[in-house]
Amino acid sequence: DTGVSQNPRHKITKRGQNVTFRCDPISEHNRLYWYRQTLGQGPEFLTYFQNEAQLEKSRLLSDRFSAERPKGSFSTLEIQRTEQGDSAMYLCASSLGRNRGRGGGYTFGSGTRLTVV
Amino acid sequence: GQQVMQIPQYQHVQEGEDFTTYCNSSTTLSNIQWYKQRPGGHPVFLIQLVKSGEVKKQKRLTFQFGEAKKNSSLHITATQTTDVGTYFCAGPNTGNQFYFGTGTSLTVIP
Repeated sequence: DTGVSQNPRHKITKRGQNVTFRCDPISEHNRLYWYRQTLGQGPEFLTYFQNEAQLEKSRLLSDRFSAERPKGSFSTLEIQRTEQGDSAMYLCASSLGRNRGRGGGYTFGSGTRLTVV
Repeated sequence: GQQVMQIPQYQHVQEGEDFTTYCNSSTTLSNIQWYKQRPGGHPVFLIQLVKSGEVKKQKRLTFQFGEAKKNSSLHITATQTTDVGTYFCAGPNTGNQFYFGTGTSLTVIP
């Protein structure tokens, strides 16, 4: 499979618990992005990595959220002390960069759907 | 911050009718991308427009980038049931990460 892989596909957790999601991008893509999408809305940017460096974080990414890409390959997104408002689809995407391959278009994974009860 | 708005939010068409969605930015965009998301699926990249006034076609889909690079449109000719989904435009911020529009949800009635 040469696409973007996300695990788990679904996660149900109790409020206050910590959760961690994993994203495996397309291997030759150096850029990796996390987005959050709620029903009826467009994806909202959370954070961006170029190789292992986290270059940008949205103000949506509160201090309960942390993302890593330790070796410039896979990435993890952790949410601590989950709240009901964190319920959403968490999408990971990767790309080669703006002017390389497919005009810089993102390849999205199938997402992890988080439900906080 | 940069905002990208789309209209309409919803569109229902009879199969065979045409469909257009419009994307407007509050700022000039260096480029714009379009994505399609099927119900229950994830966004799939369709195209990127870079030049002022650019027009690109993909079979029944026609994409335009405005002369002022602040708006864009996607037109589908003779819609089919396979066109069902939500169409998003996305524009880059100063860091060149893309911010997505609100999307237009297309329903095609057979």
